[in-house]
Amino acid sequence: GAGVSQSPSNKVTEKGKDVELRCDPISGHTALYWYRQSLGQGLEFLIYFQGNSAPDKSGLPSDRFSAERTGGSVSTLTIQRTQQEDSAVYLCASSPHGGGRRETQYFGPGTRLLVL
Amino acid sequence: AQKITQTQPGMFVQEKEAVTLDCTYDTSDPSYGLFWYKQPSSGEMIFLIYQGSYDQQNATEGRYSLNFQKARKSANLVISASQLGDSAMYFCAMREATNFGNEKLTFGTGTRLTIIP
Repeated sequence: GAGVSQSPSNKVTEKGKDVELRCDPISGHTALYWYRQSLGQGLEFLIYFQGNSAPDKSGLPSDRFSAERTGGSVSTLTIQRTQQEDSAVYLCASSPHGGGRRETQYFGPGTRLLVL
Repeated sequence: AQKITQTQPGMFVQEKEAVTLDCTYDTSDPSYGLFWYKQPSSGEMIFLIYQGSYDQQNATEGRYSLNFQKARKSANLVISASQLGDSAMYFCAMREATNFGNEKLTFGTGTRLTIIP
């Protein structure tokens, strides 16, 4: 079946503008995660959704970052008043249930965000 | 303190040789899971192998195996008979139970593996 998809694949924006990043998880997966990967670094957790609820937002770096999920499916990560330090690859992952040590997270191809 | 440490920023290995990528971790949680992901230049994270903290045997998946030494808190990835297509970034990650009931992954900084023909 189809994997996790993300759009756009690349986004260039000017400092101060708002951006929206979209994630379409694997059909039927209730858990959805957003991560951020800065250049040459590992992945940094941002937020976790279980269904439409976000029980863990602990990784969001500032109040300029927000995310929502609708219909238990598509999620949108919004960055307001973008800053140059927001430049990174934003990766979305989904998993069937979100619980259990063994559950594998499946990642999308990411959105490369460049803030000029 | 770093929860996941990958001490090899880059490695060069001759094709067909075996390679070991190091990963050490830090946790006080008795129940945890360890994952390895491959990230080719395309950017997508590809799941390779999983090891649970209570698993009695080392995990294996085709050419991938995990050398799990619980007392040392290490979970090294072994790739046998390396191929040119194995050239990529490799990330070790850990899942711990959290207060949120969310078992997010914590990643290391990765190792860039280059296979030489």
